Amino acid sequence: NAGVTQTPKFQVLKTGQSMTLQCAQDMNHEYMSWYRQDPGMGLRLIHYSVGAGITDQGEVPNGYNVSRSTTEDFPLRLLSAAPSQTSVYFCASTGGGSIEQYFGPGTRLTVT
Amino acid sequence: GDSVTQMEGPVTLSEEACLTINCTYTATGYPSLFWYVQYPGEGLQLLLKATKADDKGSNKGFEATYRKETTSFHLEKGSVQVSDSAVYFCALNSGGSNYKLTFGKGTLLTVNP
Repeated sequence: NAGVTQTPKFQVLKTGQSMTLQCAQDMNHEYMSWYRQDPGMGLRLIHYSVGAGITDQGEVPNGYNVSRSTTEDFPLRLLSAAPSQTSVYFCASTGGGSIEQYFGPGTRLTVT
Repeated sequence: GDSVTQMEGPVTLSEEACLTINCTYTATGYPSLFWYVQYPGEGLQLLLKATKADDKGSNKGFEATYRKETTSFHLEKGSVQVSDSAVYFCALNSGGSNYKLTFGKGTLLTVNP
């Protein structure tokens, strides 16, 4: 039982490049979320999903796309990276009646 | 909208000192309240939670009580250890949705031997 996994751990992009941050969970959780963590800002919700095929925007969705084709996977896409997207990104999941969110180890992204 | 305000720190204590990290919130409805901890280089882990007024969450010697009248959820520990050094986040589930957390800005705690 790996819990929530994220790849890559680190990534450096140039402005304008695109990439996908991967997130997978093996707990059969219906709910998955993406957060970004910035110094002095805490964590802020980017997008979330309440089940396969259903996604919605959080507090800071601009510049990011998501999709949820399976229960296990919830990738986050940056279509045209900007320096303002330099951050640490965390994926989380919950379900089965639990109120606890389980977090992945994070992806540290730098956009130059 | 919902918001969480917590003591920003950083907080530096000696081993065996008492810890209090203040947290207050603004929310519609009746949210559940959480403290998450982030050890260096890791993701967040749930430390403790409370789901209704006057509930006390506790874990690893840490405690916090859900105070509806003061809209607070202060984190306390009577005797901290070096291994407690981490960033602590207060959070609530926005709109009662367990998949949408609103976080405070985090408090860095450093405990010296």
